[in-house]
Amino acid sequence: KAGVTQTPRYLIKTRGQQVTLSCSPISGHRSVSWYQQTPGQGLQFLFEYFSETQRNKGNFPGRFSGRQFSNSRSEMNVSTLELGDSALYLCASSLVAGGYNEQFFGPGTRLTVL
Amino acid sequence: SQQGEEDPQALSIQEGENATMNCSYKTSINNLQWYRQNSGRGLVHLILIRSNEREKHSGRLRVTLDTSKKSSSLLITASRAADTASYFCATDAGGNYQLIWGAGTKLIIKP
Repeated sequence: KAGVTQTPRYLIKTRGQQVTLSCSPISGHRSVSWYQQTPGQGLQFLFEYFSETQRNKGNFPGRFSGRQFSNSRSEMNVSTLELGDSALYLCASSLVAGGYNEQFFGPGTRLTVL
Repeated sequence: SQQGEEDPQALSIQEGENATMNCSYKTSINNLQWYRQNSGRGLVHLILIRSNEREKHSGRLRVTLDTSKKSSSLLITASRAADTASYFCATDAGGNYQLIWGAGTKLIIKP
């Protein structure tokens, strides 16, 4: 079975721009979660999608949004980028829910905002 | 805010020794998970322990859960260089099975 894939792997943007990150979960997994990780920090939960519906949302501003398609692929969008948005963005998929069973993580997208 | 807090923040031991790291959390949980992150393999699930379980084993890993103390420990026996990584605990205390993560323990295995 193919693992979780994320594209692109690296991105460099400037302040004020917007960015879209993509995640393809493991086949059969319906839950996709997004996390932000900054150096020395744990994972900060952004949101979780299940069957195209946002089920959970973390404490991030409205500039961060996401969606899930019928094939479970998910995208997240960050608008009006700020320097503090520089981070590793991780996507994880699971069968039912991240807190109920194990999550499988993609390699992440490293976003640098200049 | 972080639900889980790992202790210690960093740990350096000799290869072959055992490594123990702890996780404390604040509210009641259904499940607690441990993950490992290194540069080579990214973030990988190690073990999940449910609130009605007290101990679980997986290879050289042993996880305990004490719900009365709201704490868990991860023991890695006979450590290897490949165990060098950051270890995170995550609990489902976010409601609706949302995972909340600690800041992690950085483990270094010295040859």
